[in-house]
Amino acid sequence: RKEVEQDPGPFNVPEGATVAFNCTYSNSASQSFFWYRQDCRKEPKLLMSVYSSGNEDGRFTAQLNRASQYISLLIRDSKLSDSATYLCVVPHQAGTALIFGKGTTLSVSS
Amino acid sequence: DGGITQSPKYLFRKEGQNVTLSCEQNLNHDAMYWYRQDPGQGLRLIYYSQIVNDFQKGDIAEGYSVSREKKESFPLTVTSAQKNPTAFYLCASSIDSNSYNEQFFGPGTRLTVL
Repeated sequence: RKEVEQDPGPFNVPEGATVAFNCTYSNSASQSFFWYRQDCRKEPKLLMSVYSSGNEDGRFTAQLNRASQYISLLIRDSKLSDSATYLCVVPHQAGTALIFGKGTTLSVSS
Repeated sequence: DGGITQSPKYLFRKEGQNVTLSCEQNLNHDAMYWYRQDPGQGLRLIYYSQIVNDFQKGDIAEGYSVSREKKESFPLTVTSAQKNPTAFYLCASSIDSNSYNEQFFGPGTRLTVL
C-alpha cells in the first residue's frame, strides 16, 4: 500500500450535492491526519485536522477508520466555492514531516 | 500580519544556472519545510529543518541545497545538478516538527528553467 493514496477524480457535482472523498494510508502508527484545500495555482490551506475518530466543522465532516486505515471527507450542501483540490495528509514514518496525497479535484457547478 | 512570505512569485532562469528561492516567516516557528509540486502531482518534500542550524534531506533532495542560519529564514538553492527544476516550490512552517502540528504555507514560487 502506498503511504497515502487518494482518488484523483475529478468529482463533478451540482450545487447542493453531498460528496465524499476517501484516502488510504499505510502507516498504521499514524495518530494525526489532515485535510488541506488547494485552489488552482495557490498554496494549500488547512481545512480540518483529525486526531481521533473524526471531526466536524459546519458542512465538512472528516472520519477516521483506523482498522481499515482510511480517512474520509464528507462535504454536504456543496457550494460553487467548494471547487478545489482536497489533499489528504498523513505523518511521515519518521514522524517529523507530513506526506501529502496527490489530491482529489472537486468541481461544483450551478 | 504574521505569515510566510516567498519571493519571487515567478522566476525564470536559464538552464545550468543556480537559483535561490527565498522563504521568510514571522510566526516564531521552529520547523520549516520545502516542497515541490508538479502538475497533477502531490507535494514532495525536498528538505526540512527542525531548528536553526540544522536541516535534513527529504524524499527528493538531490540537486537542491538549503541553509538555516536564522530561525525566520530558510532559503532553497536549486542547483544546476537538478535535472528537472521547473516546478511550483512551496515553503511551509510549523510550531515544531511534531506531526500533530499544522503546517502553514507561503504563496509559492513558480520556477521555469528555459
